[in-house]
Amino acid sequence: GAGVSQSPSNKVTEKGKDVELRCDPISGHTALYWYRQRLGQGLEFLIYFQGNSAPDKSGLPSDRFSAERTGESVSTLTIQRTQQEDSAVYLCASSFAGAVGQPQHFGDGTRLSIL
Amino acid sequence: AQTVTQSQPEMSVQEAETVTLSCTYDTSENNYYLFWYKQPPSRQMILVIRQEAYKQQNATENRFSVNFQKAAKSFSLKISDSQLGDTAMYFCAFMKVAGNQFYFGTGTSLTVIP
Repeated sequence: GAGVSQSPSNKVTEKGKDVELRCDPISGHTALYWYRQRLGQGLEFLIYFQGNSAPDKSGLPSDRFSAERTGESVSTLTIQRTQQEDSAVYLCASSFAGAVGQPQHFGDGTRLSIL
Repeated sequence: AQTVTQSQPEMSVQEAETVTLSCTYDTSENNYYLFWYKQPPSRQMILVIRQEAYKQQNATENRFSVNFQKAAKSFSLKISDSQLGDTAMYFCAFMKVAGNQFYFGTGTSLTVIP
């Protein structure tokens, strides 16, 4: 498809387990963003990748959170030793940073539920 | 640092009426972009409208228009002829030109009443 793809759509896991969330950006989009959205809340910035530059990790809430992206392709967000407060929808977005003022295009998100 | 404020957590409007959602922001940047996104219950964020800060003319997309007041740092969204499908969360977003970083408001939940 032509849009941002995220998998899995839903993930239920037990407290203490590790989870890995995947994001396939739109082809050619150099910028990739991860956000967390708790129920009924706004978007909380987590991390931003831009091409081969060092990622902006300033939004990661703890060292249990990490993300990787190889070049301008797939990104994975990993949460280790999950806690109940990690329950949220995790949204990925990509944009074409080669032109000024390009909007972000969002995936459908992964709903993460920690039991 | 950039901040985006949406002071209306919830709003409602009668079908076919007009509603305005407010957004203010704080920045020292002179060149930036502003966006409104819609998030229906289906969860996907959808771009509604975009405004370039250096353009004085307000952006318009069909029933959606903005009132951009740069000096006041205000960027409100007007929805005309509201439809049931407009029921959603609406997020205002600010984008710095340098760095492509986005900043989102906390959202306004809009309900269109039949």
